[in-house]
Amino acid sequence: QVQLLESGPGLVKPSQTLSLTCTVSGGSISSGRYYWSWIRQPAGKGLEWIGRMFTSGSTNYNPSLKSRVTISADMSKNQFSLKLTSVTAADTAVYYCARDDYCSGGNCYSRWYFDLWGRGTLVTVSS
Amino acid sequence: QSALTQPPSASGSPGQSVTISCTGTSSDIGGYNYVSWYQHHPGKAPKVMIYEVSNRPSAVPDRFSGSKSGNTASLTVSGLQAEDEADYYCSSYAGNNNVLFGGGTKLTVL
Repeated sequence: QVQLLESGPGLVKPSQTLSLTCTVSGGSISSGRYYWSWIRQPAGKGLEWIGRMFTSGSTNYNPSLKSRVTISADMSKNQFSLKLTSVTAADTAVYYCARDDYCSGGNCYSRWYFDLWGRGTLVTVSS
Repeated sequence: QSALTQPPSASGSPGQSVTISCTGTSSDIGGYNYVSWYQHHPGKAPKVMIYEVSNRPSAVPDRFSGSKSGNTASLTVSGLQAEDEADYYCSSYAGNNNVLFGGGTKLTVL
C-alpha cells in the first residue's frame, strides 16, 4: 500500500525559503507511472496546485508561483521536495504532496487528477 | 486564472440525493474532460471520488457520480450516509499544464 508523508519545518520566517519533503513508501517514485505533485490550502480557503515533477525530471508549475517554486526528487531516498522562495504570510497553508495518475491500464497520458495524497503539513510564515 | 466556483455548503437527509456544482469557464471545465472531485475529512488525506468527469475509482461507492454540462461540472451523492459528511473539492485542467481547484463545499448530512 503506497503512502505519502510530508515533512519539514512548521515555521518559516518571511523572505526565507520554505522547504518540504514528501517520502513515498510502498512504491517507487521512479516507476514512470506517475507524476508527483505539491498542493496547498490556506486556512479557510480552497486548494491551490503548486506544481509537479516526473521521473525524467521534467516539471510543471502553477504560473502564479512559477518564479518562486522548485520541485525535485531524490530517487535514492524515494523522496521528492518542494522549495518556495521569498515567502510571505500569504504562503501560510497546509501543504500536501500527492500522486498524479499518468499510466492507468497501460495507457499513459496526463489525466490531471490526484489519486493518492498525504495528510498534509502546516507551514506558518511568521517572524 | 480564478479558482473554480463551488457553493460553500450543501446538505441533505440520510437516504436523499444531493448535487454539488462547480462552475468554471471555457478555458478549464468547458474545454477539457479532466474534471475531478475530492472528498476531504479534516485531518485526513483527501480522497479522489471522481476523475475525468465521470469515472469512479474502484474503491468509491457507486452512490457517487459525476457529470459535466458546458462550463459546469456536478457531483451527485445518492443515498446519503452519515460518513459522506465532509468537504468536497472540484478540480479541472486549465490548459498550459496548469490545474485549478474549487473553493470547496461543506456537505452536511442532517
